[in-house]
Amino acid sequence: QVQLVQSGADVRKPGATVKVSCKASGYSFSSYGITWVRQAPGQGLEWMGWINPYNGNTNYPENVQGRITVTADTSSTTAYMELKNLRSDDTAVYYCARGGGGDYLDYWGPGTQVTVSS
Amino acid sequence: AVQLTQSPSSLSASVGDRVVITCRASQGIRHDLMWFQQKPGRAPNLLIHGATTLQGGVPSRFSGSGSGTDFTLTISSLQSEDFATYFCLQDAFYPYTFGQGTKLEI
Repeated sequence: QVQLVQSGADVRKPGATVKVSCKASGYSFSSYGITWVRQAPGQGLEWMGWINPYNGNTNYPENVQGRITVTADTSSTTAYMELKNLRSDDTAVYYCARGGGGDYLDYWGPGTQVTVSS
Repeated sequence: AVQLTQSPSSLSASVGDRVVITCRASQGIRHDLMWFQQKPGRAPNLLIHGATTLQGGVPSRFSGSGSGTDFTLTISSLQSEDFATYFCLQDAFYPYTFGQGTKLEI
């Protein structure tokens, strides 16, 4: 069965960097994209970016471009989302999902709470 | 970026009611729309993709319609487990964008 297992909750200071992992299993990792979505407390969903693990192609929204890097390691079937220069408004639950790039988001990880606080 | 406007933002209903949620796009997005259900503390759950295709395992009381700029999610007969927040997402153009959500309450 398809599973996405994410790394645990993290607390970082403003200006620091966080890296969240998403370990995929139960399917051919290179055959589907991985999409990252975040949700600030009490707010809606925000698309954070996408990667094609087969060729490493990525796409990011302008509001985090330059601060975000999404990577995928096919040998360990793990995707990563790194966000730099953290601000308090980056406090959110970060989700990975299988799909994007033309595929629907059919399986989701449980989410990783990232808190940015001094 | 494509803006998605959902309405209503919240809705009170009862078990057995028929409910319709709308999602309007700021430009045409063909059929490239998904609907998700989210319960507190949980990841979103895919209900509909391609605007009209029911995801496997989703009850048939859920249905989607529309194309271009206007889309609807219909729940034909509300069950207690359907009280949640619903989001639409367009995947026609980057950046993908979500609607602001519709909270469905008892």
